[in-house]
Amino acid sequence: DVKVTQSSRYLVKRTGEKVFLECVQDMDHENMFWYRQDPGLGLRLIYFSYDVKMKEKGDIPEGYSVSREKKERFSLILESASTNQTSMYLCASSPQDSSVQPQHFGDGTRLSIL
Amino acid sequence: AQSVAQPEDQVNVAEGNPLTVKCTYSVSGNPYLFWYVQYPNRGLQFLLKYITGDNLVKGSYGFEAEFNKSQTSFHLKKPSALVSDSALYFCAVRDMDSNYQLIWGAGTKLIIKP
Repeated sequence: DVKVTQSSRYLVKRTGEKVFLECVQDMDHENMFWYRQDPGLGLRLIYFSYDVKMKEKGDIPEGYSVSREKKERFSLILESASTNQTSMYLCASSPQDSSVQPQHFGDGTRLSIL
Repeated sequence: AQSVAQPEDQVNVAEGNPLTVKCTYSVSGNPYLFWYVQYPNRGLQFLLKYITGDNLVKGSYGFEAEFNKSQTSFHLKKPSALVSDSALYFCAVRDMDSNYQLIWGAGTKLIIKP
């Protein structure tokens, strides 16, 4: 089975801090994704990556950046955390043609910014 | 623009009864449709997908979905609900306008009562 591991299940940070969320997948998938999940809004794509060192903005990239130095690892960075970034963050991966192959998700990181 | 709608925030069903979770979509070409489930404090799990072929798609945990092109719907169904089916269900459609990423519905909370 595909395993997508997010480094933290719960995280509490302060406004203005730089926050790193880490995600690792073990199935050699080309594509990796970062979403945030808020009640009533479903999943919103922040960034995705289709190859090492490649990234593309999703629907809500403002205030975030990403890094993919190795194929298995995709990091989400909150440059200067703000309270409106309190949310559940989900990482996912999929094989190359993600339009037909399902995405595999980690268990999420619930991030609180105080 | 492509879109997907889940018209019900919550669906309540008695254990043993059939269940339906509704999804409608709008795409400019042929749709690729997906259902995912999210159990409490977990990431999303893939249930089933429609790409082409038979309009009735069978998936995990006894779920199935019916693709209806004329009604642009892809409703999730199960003949006999279990309490353990209680979860959050998401419908998604491929976004052909945006690098073929997925567009997600807002989610439907399914509650199965004993």
